[in-house]
Amino acid sequence: AQSVSQHNHHVILSEAASLELGCNYSYGGTVNLFWYVQYPGQHLQLLLKYFSGDPLVKGIKGFEAEFIKSKFSFNLRKPSVQWSDTAEYFCAVNSPTSGTYKYIFGTGTRLKVLA
Amino acid sequence: GAVVSQHPSRVICKSGTSVKIECRSLDFQATTMFWYRQFPKQSLMLMATSNEGSKATYEQGVEKDKFLINHASLTLSTLTVTSAHPEDSSFYICSASSVGGDSYEQYFGPGTRLTVT
Repeated sequence: AQSVSQHNHHVILSEAASLELGCNYSYGGTVNLFWYVQYPGQHLQLLLKYFSGDPLVKGIKGFEAEFIKSKFSFNLRKPSVQWSDTAEYFCAVNSPTSGTYKYIFGTGTRLKVLA
Repeated sequence: GAVVSQHPSRVICKSGTSVKIECRSLDFQATTMFWYRQFPKQSLMLMATSNEGSKATYEQGVEKDKFLINHASLTLSTLTVTSAHPEDSSFYICSASSVGGDSYEQYFGPGTRLTVT
């Protein structure tokens, strides 16, 4: 069965530290990959997405992610975090060849940035 | 673009009553809408996939008679929690995929917090 793993459940960083959140998926076919952010009390917002092409994807708010097909990974990075990045981050995968576009979400990573 | 709204944003109901949550795509047509449930500090759990004009497809373990889904038009899907109980209290989120566009992506609504007393 398809699954998405986010190994870091809780991450605490100081402002200006670099961030990398792991996301690994298990699916052998073509995938679309997404990172979403959920700020406290707010709804899911798309940070970035990968469908095809350049495996290094740049998103909003200075985030980027790299798709490494051989490792089934799509890790999220930001070179310098801010206090306002405190939020929960979700990785999601879907497969356009499966006949359904439903997402499989990872369990989420709760990021706290200390001012 | 690609805005999804939900109404109400919060609802409190008594045990045994039913409550309806609306999900609307405001600026695009959605052939498919998805309903999720999110427990505190947990990820989103897909409840069902709703296709316009046809019956919803429920995920394993989700009671279709308890969570009634109707997708009557390309811009509106509703979730009705019937005979609600306190354990149904949760955050319900809908999402929608657009027709003819980048249909691999889902656009999420702001969610509805349901509290059953």
